[in-house]
Amino acid sequence: EVQLVESGGGLVQPGGSLRLSCAGSGFTFSSFWMNWVRQAPGKGLEWVANIKQDGSEKNYVDSVKGRFTISRDNAKNSLYLQMNSLRAEDTAVYYCAGGGGWFFDLWGRGTLVTVSS
Amino acid sequence: DIVMTQSPDSLAVSLGERATINCKSSQSVLYSSNNKNQLAWYQQKPGQPPKLLIYWGSTRGSGVPDRFSGSGSGTDFTLTISSLQAEDVAVYYCQQSYSSPLTFGGGTKVEIK
Repeated sequence: EVQLVESGGGLVQPGGSLRLSCAGSGFTFSSFWMNWVRQAPGKGLEWVANIKQDGSEKNYVDSVKGRFTISRDNAKNSLYLQMNSLRAEDTAVYYCAGGGGWFFDLWGRGTLVTVSS
Repeated sequence: DIVMTQSPDSLAVSLGERATINCKSSQSVLYSSNNKNQLAWYQQKPGQPPKLLIYWGSTRGSGVPDRFSGSGSGTDFTLTISSLQAEDVAVYYCQQSYSSPLTFGGGTKVEIK
């Protein structure tokens, strides 16, 4: 069964850090561009970052540049998102998503990040 | 950044009737190198992650019923549900995969009339 499972979400204070993980199984993880997409409560979808199959190219939405870092470990079939200097507006469900190109065939169920004091 | 504008924000359609959702991009998303539109459609039901319905503007994803179809090119695209079923109640999003940052439309909520 093809699966993406996110973990690492939780409650964090403004200015704090969190590291999200996503474990892939049932498909050739190293063949896919991998992405983080978030959804604030009751809002639409926002793409956050992506990383090429071999990790050689990374892209970010402007609002997280310099604060978030995407990485992957193909040997562990895993994707990561290091989030620093978190703000209230980063509160969202964070989805791990993968695709052969820059659209998203595969989605995890998401992990909730809440930034609040 | 490419801005994706969906319309309407919501629509209510009777069971078995046609539902049409529009998506307009602020610049063309047609790749001249392969003549493919870098436009995808997703369906999101409450409490679930999105599901890929259509990519390259008109290619249905794996297992997607043929009542879902995508059309359009360049900057103007349409998602059509030919005969609305109860299980199609959801929010639908378009997304451009032409350039970074990847961007989504604001979503269209489809309900039963």
